[in-house]
Amino acid sequence: DQQVKQNSPSLSVQEGRISILNCDYTNSMFDYFLWYKKYPAEGPTFLISISSIKDKNEDGRFTVFLNKSAKHLSLHIVPSQPGDSAVYFCAASFERNEKLTFGTGTRLTIIP
Amino acid sequence: EAGVAQSPRYKIIEKRQSVAFWCNPISGHATLYWYQQILGQGPKLLIQFQNNGVVDDSQLPKDRFSAERLKGVDSTLKIQPAKLEDSAVYLCASSLLREEAFFGQGTRLTVV
Repeated sequence: DQQVKQNSPSLSVQEGRISILNCDYTNSMFDYFLWYKKYPAEGPTFLISISSIKDKNEDGRFTVFLNKSAKHLSLHIVPSQPGDSAVYFCAASFERNEKLTFGTGTRLTIIP
Repeated sequence: EAGVAQSPRYKIIEKRQSVAFWCNPISGHATLYWYQQILGQGPKLLIQFQNNGVVDDSQLPKDRFSAERLKGVDSTLKIQPAKLEDSAVYLCASSLLREEAFFGQGTRLTVV
């Protein structure tokens, strides 16, 4: 039972444009959501998070939007840079610092 | 600040053999996690420790997998005996209470 889904395995975006990565979840008890970025041969690196009491969180070029009614979150990267090319994982937990349930990842490629 | 250290980076074993992975978390991080990431999937939690106590091991195949965290610092994960389907990257992560998890580079296990 895949409780966190990333339906796009890959995404290509021109450098300087906006990258939008999507994530859907099925368990309404999830309370905290995170995005991790992963380069080859490295572990995932925390990028940005959002609590269920908010609908938006911004950190520099990265913004996460949460739509609780649709059980959907998205990560916006503006402007996209070549160094953003990586696999992005969406994750959810019932509380902060509790176990994470990950999606299957989206491979983002930024085209120079 | 030193990150989460894992060893070995790579391991190839034959099925039915035993293997052990080691993790040294970030200093002061009370929470330690072991995740299994099978190719094409997101990481899945195997076990979570709070200091040296187990918080969640519901997804740990206890007939073959074991983990310990002596003195609430380093941790080892053991598989005995290994099966072909155990081929995966084993990720260790640590965190402060109610903070995001930091991941190590992982150990890539291939069972042949």
